[in-house]
Amino acid sequence: DAGVTQSPTHLIKTRGQQVTLRCSPKSGHDTVSWYQQALGQGPQFIFQYYEEEERQRGNFPDRFSGHQFPNYSSELNVNALLLGDSALYLCASSLTGTNEKLFFGSGTQLSVL
Amino acid sequence: GESVGLHLPTLSVQEGDNSIINCAYSNSASDYFIWYKQESGKGPQFIIDIRSNMDKRQGQRVTVLLNKTVKHLSLQIAATQPGDSAVYFCAEIGSSNTGKLIFGQGTTLQVKP
Repeated sequence: DAGVTQSPTHLIKTRGQQVTLRCSPKSGHDTVSWYQQALGQGPQFIFQYYEEEERQRGNFPDRFSGHQFPNYSSELNVNALLLGDSALYLCASSLTGTNEKLFFGSGTQLSVL
Repeated sequence: GESVGLHLPTLSVQEGDNSIINCAYSNSASDYFIWYKQESGKGPQFIIDIRSNMDKRQGQRVTVLLNKTVKHLSLQIAATQPGDSAVYFCAEIGSSNTGKLIFGQGTTLQVKP
């Protein structure tokens, strides 16, 4: 049983560029949440998707957007990248729209130069 | 505002000893708490959870204690092993059950052989 998978594992971009990160949830899960984890910090909630809609959103600008597909996989898009967007981006999946017992992927390490 | 914080950013223990990692939270209405373990290069891994209607919950070698009076959460690891070396985060789901986890900054546990 595959867990949460994310791609790519590492990514290097320059300021102003756009990036798309991908996530496949754990089998049987229907809810996907995205978190940003800066070096030495705890993860910060970006948003959550359920039934292909954004259900909750954290304190992130509109440059951060997402999408969920009918197969429950999800994408995180970041436009107009800033140096401060450099972080580990984590995808977490759960069942039935709750955050209980979230299962996390290994993340995508994004470096903005 | 809501926040979850951790005491002692780094904890160093001898292999075989018991470890205690502490966490303070500020939202007395929070009703669900989770401990995660994060190893280098990996996403957070669920360890144990507890609801606010409980004071104590035990797992395999781990125990979580919740003191609602002083808004304090702790994780006890029995017979600490080198494989326990990691960063440990406590997290809460806010009282409004928005579906987002609020993480603390983390405590690094170092196990000396």
